[in-house]
Amino acid sequence: AQRVTQPEKLLSVFKGAPVELKCNYSYSGSPELFWYVQYSRQRLQLLLRHISRESIKGFTADLNKGETSFHLKKPFAQEEDSAMYYCALSGLNAGGTSYGKLTFGQGTILTVHP
Amino acid sequence: DTEVTQTPKHLVMGMTNKKSLKCEQHMGHRAMYWYKQKAKKPPELMFVYSYEKLSINESVPSRFSPECPNSSLLNLHLHALQPEDSALYLCASSQEGWPSSGYEQYFGPGTRLTVT
Repeated sequence: AQRVTQPEKLLSVFKGAPVELKCNYSYSGSPELFWYVQYSRQRLQLLLRHISRESIKGFTADLNKGETSFHLKKPFAQEEDSAMYYCALSGLNAGGTSYGKLTFGQGTILTVHP
Repeated sequence: DTEVTQTPKHLVMGMTNKKSLKCEQHMGHRAMYWYKQKAKKPPELMFVYSYEKLSINESVPSRFSPECPNSSLLNLHLHALQPEDSALYLCASSQEGWPSSGYEQYFGPGTRLTVT
């Protein structure tokens, strides 16, 4: 079974402050982790994935297999970062490709105050 | 065209009705997905189609019947639904199909379904 836990339903910070959205996962095999974001009245979209190691909109996330975590971080939050953030997991098969079954965490609503 | 489109945007149906949701993508993606999302909850996977064949059914009740007529189109046929089936139904697609589905999933805007 695969499970994703986002312990914070709501997170509020001020503009310019650092922000960290927590994500922990449980999976017996090799996981592929993602962060998806949903801005107000927009569709769900990919923010970043651990395999690509990219930094998108100033956000980064590192997969820590020892702590089974994939926390999302940004050093200086902006008001436009206010959104719902979902951490998601897809299991990797022996060939290193993904099973395609995406399991989402409960989501964290980030509010960045001016 | 780099979007997943879904029609209708809103649907209200009675428990004895038969209706269908439609999803379309023209990105050449070979995997398509249906998700159900209740208010303030994460999306829950319902079905995965890979290369136009059903590859994952997450034990969804038979009153939901998916169909993939071609690689660009995905339907979800609804019959004898219950009020608790009211939700936002999301369609998504990704570049590759099962088992190589570790690509970004592109989501549609969803169909908001209300069962009365």
